[in-house]
Amino acid sequence: AQSVAQPEDQVNVAEGNPLTVKCTYSVSGNPYLFWYVQYPNRGLQFLLKYITGDNLVKGSYGFEAEFNKSQTSFHLKKPSALVSDSALYFCAVRDGPPGYSTLTFGKGTMLLVSP
Amino acid sequence: EAGVTQFPSHSVIEKGQTVTLRCDPISGHDNLYWYRRVMGKEIKFLLHFVKESKQDESGMPNNRFLAERTGGTYSTLKVQPAELEDSGVYFCASSQIAGDNRREQFFGPGTRLTVL
Repeated sequence: AQSVAQPEDQVNVAEGNPLTVKCTYSVSGNPYLFWYVQYPNRGLQFLLKYITGDNLVKGSYGFEAEFNKSQTSFHLKKPSALVSDSALYFCAVRDGPPGYSTLTFGKGTMLLVSP
Repeated sequence: EAGVTQFPSHSVIEKGQTVTLRCDPISGHDNLYWYRRVMGKEIKFLLHFVKESKQDESGMPNNRFLAERTGGTYSTLKVQPAELEDSGVYFCASSQIAGDNRREQFFGPGTRLTVL
């Protein structure tokens, strides 16, 4: 069974500092990995995904994530945090092979960026 | 292009009552998904439609939940009778092209269900 772990319930960072939101995963095959963000009273918005190729993927709003197969991780990063980045972040994984597979989410990490 | 819409945004009902949630996916999207998030927990998969057919309903909690997707367009999720543990936020999502797991899913704003 596939699973996702987001070990931190909350991450606090000062504006202008780099941020990292951690995610590790477990799947039986090749993983397809996704990051979503949820702002208050809004639905989940897609940020970025890793399917294949370059381990460093770039997404919306200056975010990027690095796929590390040996560590089964897909940490979300941003070089310089903004107060407006404060939100709830979800990592998700699904099995890669063709066909249908479910998307499994982590429990979410609240990111708080202080001015 | 309109995004995924859900109705209602909030619903407060009493235990034993019936509630029906509606989702309108992005036009032309074959895949429609329902998820639920109970307070502070993971977002859990409920079921997946490909057009009008149920592809996977392994996440449906029990037979009090009934989902339909009429004509492969909008979908409804009915809970009858509602129990306290059904409270949570119900998300709908859609994506293009059946069977293409590489594509991201587009989520609606969710329906917050409170069962008293």
